[in-house]
Amino acid sequence: GQSLEQPSEVTAVEGAIVQINCTYQTSGFYGLSWYQQHDGGAPTFLSYNALDGLEETGRFSSFLSRSDSYGYLLLQELQMKDSASYFCAVISFQKLVFGTGTRLLVSP
Amino acid sequence: NAGVTQTPKFRVLKTGQSMTLLCAQDMNHEYMYWYRQDPGMGLRLIHYSVGEGTTAKGEVPDGYNVSRLKKQNFLLGLESAAPSQTSVYFCASSYPASTYEQYFGPGTRLTVT
Repeated sequence: GQSLEQPSEVTAVEGAIVQINCTYQTSGFYGLSWYQQHDGGAPTFLSYNALDGLEETGRFSSFLSRSDSYGYLLLQELQMKDSASYFCAVISFQKLVFGTGTRLLVSP
Repeated sequence: NAGVTQTPKFRVLKTGQSMTLLCAQDMNHEYMYWYRQDPGMGLRLIHYSVGEGTTAKGEVPDGYNVSRLKKQNFLLGLESAAPSQTSVYFCASSYPASTYEQYFGPGTRLTVT
């Protein structure tokens, strides 16, 4: 089976940097994705790591260590609009398995 | 491009009633998925399809059926609704080579009383 662990909630202030961690246990691992979901909205794709290392997309970066079964999403220069839930998901043959999500609260 | 659309947006059912949720995508994606999302939980895969005429079970398939008669449409059916099926249902689609990047519809909020 597959399982993923993320913190349930993280708080930060505008302009700060925050890291959301994800550890996973899975068979048939192909990569780790990250999604953002605002309240009442649909999940939207943020980032993907198939190999070890850091992937940068604007203010967001994602990191993967396959040997440690661990990844994180790094959000820089936080803005109020970044308040949302963030989900990691493992790619396991034709489908995604999602974590339970981390709610990020950004305060002024 | 409309992307992924879902019909209806909201629905209230009584226990034992049936209904079908419709998902349509105009991106020519081969793969389509149905998820449910409950408070405090992530997205759980109900059923998915890797092509027209094919379907497969996901993590929580019991009580649901699906059909993929056309490439652009993926239907989710509840034959006899139960209160435990109260949830928000999301449809998603992707290319085969990029399962990691799924495009989601706006969701259907279903309440079963």
